[in-house]
Amino acid sequence: GAVVSQHPSRVICKSGTSVKIECRSLDFQATTMFWYRQFPKQSLMLMATSNEGSKATYEQGVEKDKFLINHASLTLSTLTVTSAHPEDSSFYICSALRTTSSYEQYFGPGTRLTVT
Amino acid sequence: DAKTTQPNSMESNEEEPVHLPCNHSTISGTDYIHWYRQLPSQGPEYVIHGLTSNVNNRMASLAIAEDRKSSTLILHRATLRDAAVYYCILRPPRNTGKLIFGQGTTLQVKP
Repeated sequence: GAVVSQHPSRVICKSGTSVKIECRSLDFQATTMFWYRQFPKQSLMLMATSNEGSKATYEQGVEKDKFLINHASLTLSTLTVTSAHPEDSSFYICSALRTTSSYEQYFGPGTRLTVT
Repeated sequence: DAKTTQPNSMESNEEEPVHLPCNHSTISGTDYIHWYRQLPSQGPEYVIHGLTSNVNNRMASLAIAEDRKSSTLILHRATLRDAAVYYCILRPPRNTGKLIFGQGTTLQVKP
């Protein structure tokens, strides 16, 4: 299957700092990527849709100024958590939408963010 | 978005078949039925999807009710590596591609 990578796999940062998470589609071009957040023992929650060359579309309740999304190329989307706080500690997962075959989403391995 | 209902958890013995049910009584005519699974501390993995007809692939089979209000994911011979959370998701039409995850079914496989 298609491969989507995320970097870093885990990160620890101090409260008040910003952290950037990269999501790369390694073997297909993705005009659309998605960002999810998952708290322990909970399901994935869609945060936003990342569109190459345009602004991201955020789900209701997700602060766009806090979770900055940039989709600068067809293979890279980044999520920056600004002024992180301990409540932002979570598992962040991205996915890339492949529209050339069966319109499937391929997920990255996730990034574990811990804010101290 | 149409919702799905799945049992919170199920157990299976290794090398036996597993039938994971999903109810989606408010499904629309254009919604595809997708199944993903998530192993601990990993991103979800695509399993199978279908629209109206039953589907088979190397991982599993998908049986879709005639009225499309329910479906069943079938793992023909469960292995310990199949222990995961299985999500049944209705995918909206192509112009969005969004997937809304429910709580899923946690499958335990006993040796």
